[in-house]
Amino acid sequence: AQTVTQSQPEMSVQEAETVTLSCTYDTSESDYYLFWYKQPPSRQMILVIRQEAYKQQNATENRFSVNFQKAAKSFSLKISDSQLGDAAMYFCAYRSASGTASKLTFGTGTRLQVTL
Amino acid sequence: DSGVTQTPKHLITATGQRVTLRCSPRSGDLSVYWYQQSLDQGLQFLIQYYNGEERAKGNILERFSAQQFPDLHSELNLSSLELGDSALYFCASSVGVSSYNEQFFGPGTRLTVL
Repeated sequence: AQTVTQSQPEMSVQEAETVTLSCTYDTSESDYYLFWYKQPPSRQMILVIRQEAYKQQNATENRFSVNFQKAAKSFSLKISDSQLGDAAMYFCAYRSASGTASKLTFGTGTRLQVTL
Repeated sequence: DSGVTQTPKHLITATGQRVTLRCSPRSGDLSVYWYQQSLDQGLQFLIQYYNGEERAKGNILERFSAQQFPDLHSELNLSSLELGDSALYFCASSVGVSSYNEQFFGPGTRLTVL
């Protein structure tokens, strides 16, 4: 079974600064997808960024980028120019690319605080 | 707004009772997933349906059941409720069953068991 580990329960960053959230995962599969989801106080789950394991290039979405290290099974999220609206819980998630049972397996989350 | 709707938003009930949570997927989506988010268990997958058929089961208790109807809406039934069932229940939908298809999450139903 796949597992996802987020070892930072809480992180804090000043507005306009850069922060990196860590995620490691364990799998015996070679093809899969990795995601970062944001959960603001409204509790809505919002997809931030997605990475296909077969792609070597790290995904980027505006101020959000990832550092995907397949051999190390590491998938960190970098938020640049942090904004107050970035304050939220961030969940790392794994999804197998094989078969048709495409459930998401989540980590325990990192609460990000953004300070002035 | 993801296009996935869930009702009710909040539900407060007593131990031993039974409740039904409803989910309407995005227009055109055939696959529905249910997830539970609790303080103890975190976010975990419960069950998946595709076009009316059960596709995958996760950590779903025997007291819980689900179905997907011909109009593609889905219901999650929770019975003999216990305090530990208090959680946020999310429904997500996707176009198909491929892992490539993005899952869109609804706003969730907050269940409180007293």
